[in-house]
Amino acid sequence: YELTQTPSMSVSPGETATISCSGDELRTNYCAWYQQKSGQSPVLVIYNDDKRPAGIPERFSGSNSGTSATLTISGIQAVDEADYYCQAWDINTLYVFGTGTKVTVL
Amino acid sequence: EVKLVESGGGLVEPGGTLRLSCEVSGFKFDDYGMHWVRQPPGTGLEWVAGIKWNGDEIGQAAFAKGRFRVFRYNPEKTLFLQLSSLRPEDTAFYFCAREHSSASGRPVDFWGQGTLVTVAS
Repeated sequence: YELTQTPSMSVSPGETATISCSGDELRTNYCAWYQQKSGQSPVLVIYNDDKRPAGIPERFSGSNSGTSATLTISGIQAVDEADYYCQAWDINTLYVFGTGTKVTVL
Repeated sequence: EVKLVESGGGLVEPGGTLRLSCEVSGFKFDDYGMHWVRQPPGTGLEWVAGIKWNGDEIGQAAFAKGRFRVFRYNPEKTLFLQLSSLRPEDTAFYFCAREHSSASGRPVDFWGQGTLVTVAS
């Protein structure tokens, strides 16, 4: 059971970053997303495919089409530069994190 | 304020044992499932194990089975991870994390700062 992400991407400030996560288990399970800035602990930014926790800016949004989940950062800012990980839970294969995407804001 | 503070990491020889602790505050500990997640330096996140509010195990990663044990002591608001038969590839930052109370898919909504375990001779 593996969730696959693009290893890295570069985005200019103000543009939209689209981060994908693919895996068959996303068809029947919810996806969450975490942001991890350099030297810090991860922060939950999306859960239940498209819900934002309190305090997470509206520019973060999520979706799940079945075998692929997407984290979208609209109007990206320099402070959004981080590693992003998807995560899903399956009753058979248990708890899995994606391979991670390093987002650079140039 | 929700706080999770890990301790117990350090340098240990291959085959050795270590017990990690996670003391929490700012929320009702015995209402929440908890998890351990690790991160080898410079690499990605790996789920280790999870435990329900009542001490029942949610599960363990394949690499942890037979070597690691997660348990908790609710009266002292503390989560534990007992590590044994440690291998160099277990070298990582170990984070404790609180499971979101109302989400599906068991996401974790608060993390500790992590404690570093180094397995080397």
